[in-house]
Amino acid sequence: AQTVTQSQPEMSVQEAETVTLSCTYDTSESDYYLFWYKQPPSRQMILVIRQEAYKQQNATENRFSVNFQKAAKSFSLKISDSQLGDAAMYFCAYRNRDDKIIFGKGTRLHILP
Amino acid sequence: GAGVSQSPSNKVTEKGKDVELRCDPISGHTALYWYRQRLGQGLEFLIYFQGNSAPDKSGLPSDRFSAERTGESVSTLTIQRTQQEDSAVYLCASSLQGYEQFFGPGTRLTVL
Repeated sequence: AQTVTQSQPEMSVQEAETVTLSCTYDTSESDYYLFWYKQPPSRQMILVIRQEAYKQQNATENRFSVNFQKAAKSFSLKISDSQLGDAAMYFCAYRNRDDKIIFGKGTRLHILP
Repeated sequence: GAGVSQSPSNKVTEKGKDVELRCDPISGHTALYWYRQRLGQGLEFLIYFQGNSAPDKSGLPSDRFSAERTGESVSTLTIQRTQQEDSAVYLCASSLQGYEQFFGPGTRLTVL
């Protein structure tokens, strides 16, 4: 069975600085998708970024980018120029070939003004 | 609709009562998921519907929990004989097959 591990329950970063959130996963599949979701205090889950496993190029969405290391089964999220609105829980997620999506336990990100 | 909707947004019930939570997915989305999120915790998978296939019920914590989905539309999650440990936010999400999930705002369930 696939598993997703986020080893950092909480992190803090100074406003305007860069922070990296870690995620590792375990799978025997070769074709899958990975996601990062953000959950602000409003509790609405918002997709931040997605990565197709067959693509070698790391996905980027404005200030958000990933470092996808397929062999190492690692999928970290980098947030550049951190803003107060980035404060939230961040969840890493894996989608398998059957469309079942497994979430990590999340990392709570604090932005220090 | 424009997004996934869930009702009610908040539900307070007494221990032992049954509750029904509703999810309206995005029109055309074949996949529908239910998750439970306890305060400050991650998402706990409950059940997953994909088209006309048999649902994946592997995450349901006990036989007090059940869910139905009518075709590719609305789904209801039913919790019978609620317990205080059932208090949580219940999140619903839908997706097209092979694409990312879109989440509803959740139902906050409080069992007194």
